[in-house]
Parts: sequence; C-alpha cells; structure tokens
Amino acid sequence: EVVMTQSPATLSVSPGERATLSCRASQSVSSKVAWYQQKPGQTPRLLIYGASTRATGIPDRFSGSGSGTEFSLTISSLQSEDFAVYFCQQYNNWSWTFGQGTKVEIK
Amino acid sequence: QVQLVQSGAEVKKPGASVKVSCKASGYTFTRYMIHWVRQAPGQRLEWMGWVDTRNGNTEYSQEFQGRVTITRDTSASTAYMQLSSLRSEDTAVYFCARDWSSGWFFDFWGQGTLVTVSS
Repeated sequence: EVVMTQSPATLSVSPGERATLSCRASQSVSSKVAWYQQKPGQTPRLLIYGASTRATGIPDRFSGSGSGTEFSLTISSLQSEDFAVYFCQQYNNWSWTFGQGTKVEIK
Repeated sequence: QVQLVQSGAEVKKPGASVKVSCKASGYTFTRYMIHWVRQAPGQRLEWMGWVDTRNGNTEYSQEFQGRVTITRDTSASTAYMQLSSLRSEDTAVYFCARDWSSGWFFDFWGQGTLVTVSS
C-alpha cells in the first residue's frame, strides 16, 4: 500500500499570506495525485488532480506541483474561506490512499 | 448539478450490519464508478471499495474483504454500502464519491453518513 504523508499537520497563516503544503508518497505514484479541501461538516471539494491541474471553478490562487514521490499544494494569498483541512490522495494503479491532512488555520 | 445524497446517521450495536445509500442526480448514473471511503475520528480517509455502476462489478479493500458489500440499483440511480459484523472501531463517517474516469480521482462526494457502533 502506498502511504501518503502530509506535512505540516497544522499551518498557521495570516490572511493574504502564502501557504505551502507538502505530501510525500512512500513509492512513486507518477502524477496521480489529487488535493481536496474539507471544511467542518462539509463535503470534500476537489481542488487539484494530476498533481497540477485545477478542477473546474477552482481559483487560480491554488496551484499544485510535483511528481514521483514529492508533491505540494500552494495557496498564493489566503482568503478567509481557505481556512480548512487539506488532504492529498494518490490514485495510481487502481489503488487509492490518502494523507492524514493539513489544517490551515488563521494566525 | 451533480449531487450525491446519502442516507442519514445510524446507531448500531456490535455484531450488527449497516447499509448506507448514496443517491446520484444531475448526471447519467451508469457512466461513472462509485467509491466508498470512511473516516474514523482522528484518522485519515480510508478507501473501502468501488462499484462499476454499468455492470455491478466490485472491488474491495483487503481491509474490509468479507465484511463489505457494495451494490447499485440503476433504476434508482443509487449505490449502497453494507458493512457487517460491526465493531466499535467501525464508528466513522462513511462517504460515497464519484470516480472521474474509472480508476482516477473523486470529483464529487456525498455529504457523509455517521455510523456509530455502540453497545
């Protein structure tokens, strides 16, 4: 099983600042990584797939990068609605595993 | 618009079974696979299995093999997840999610169903 490890567990950021979240796979997953946003009591929302492609309707302040085993999600200028939990997922070779999540909180 | 609407919260005793439904709307149900994923308190999301809505074929995580059954009713555009021999560790929020293109990421998710296992 591919283990996805996210860091940090919590990121404290001021509105308007940049946030960079990391996700590491225990083995290569090519570019088969997605990022999701989840707010308390809400449905997870797809942000990024294919490591770097924004999903429909996602603002361009969200960007993803990486391949192989190292991936990152960057939010260029945090807005109030961006404070949430973010988790990565690999979907390589008909298997699906998730990171444990990074909570982005207001500093 | 695409929606996946799940059934309501359940409370079950250890050893019982639970069946959660996921009704799809806003798209052709049989064009996309449906996955089931769960999230126990304080734990990461865990993939449980999928159903091919065209033909009913399924695949399950080894973690749940023998205890989980995923089915679908095309006439009702609904997928179901049944988990048997429940134990306290199965207390979790259960999500259904649509697969974007057969074996890829999940583009739409249900709202989640809390299943509590308690004596």
